[in-house]
Amino acid sequence: EVQLVESGGGLVKSGGSLRLSCAASGFIFSSFEMIWVRQAPGRGLEWVSYISGRGSVMYYADSVKGRFTISRDNAQSSLYLQMNRLRAEDTAVYYCARDFGRPGIPDRADYWGQGTLVTVFS
Amino acid sequence: NFVLTQPHSVSESPGKTVTISCTRPSGNIASKSVQWYQQRPGSAPTNVIYEDKERPSGVPDRFSGSIDSSSNSASLTISGLKTEDEADYYCQSYDGGNMVFGGGTKLTVL
Repeated sequence: EVQLVESGGGLVKSGGSLRLSCAASGFIFSSFEMIWVRQAPGRGLEWVSYISGRGSVMYYADSVKGRFTISRDNAQSSLYLQMNRLRAEDTAVYYCARDFGRPGIPDRADYWGQGTLVTVFS
Repeated sequence: NFVLTQPHSVSESPGKTVTISCTRPSGNIASKSVQWYQQRPGSAPTNVIYEDKERPSGVPDRFSGSIDSSSNSASLTISGLKTEDEADYYCQSYDGGNMVFGGGTKLTVL
């Protein structure tokens, strides 16, 4: 059974940093691309970042480019999102999801974690 | 980046059929596949349609997807509505290194 479990969310002051983790199980992690998607309170889904299976290709939404860094540890079946220079508008539930589509691009999320809440206060 | 436009809300009665649209104002909707996700209150999204019209394993055949090139839109149709279908529905596509979601449609089954 595919499982994705996020952790690392919490309360952080504006301008601060936070690192999210996503523990994967039930599939060969290194064979799949992964993404982060976030959802601000009462709002819709917003794609945040993508990483290829080997971790050599990364993409970011314009809203987080230069502040967030996606990475992965295939030996640990873990996905990460390092978030720096956080802003109030980054407040959201952050989901990790498995990308199961054409290789090399973020195109389809088939399994999602339950999410972790990040709250940025000023 | 492009935009995907969805109606804010739709409502229909149990047993009826409802269609949710997803329009791409600029660019060709058929150029990249469209996915649909269901999100029940308090839960993570789940994929109900991929590659325009394909259903993942376990999704009932009451859910179907289509593309209409004349209106440059994708549609999610749910037939035989059940109260458990009440949820937010998001369309999603992509272009290059960007994944784009529609704003979401709240489906009320009453």
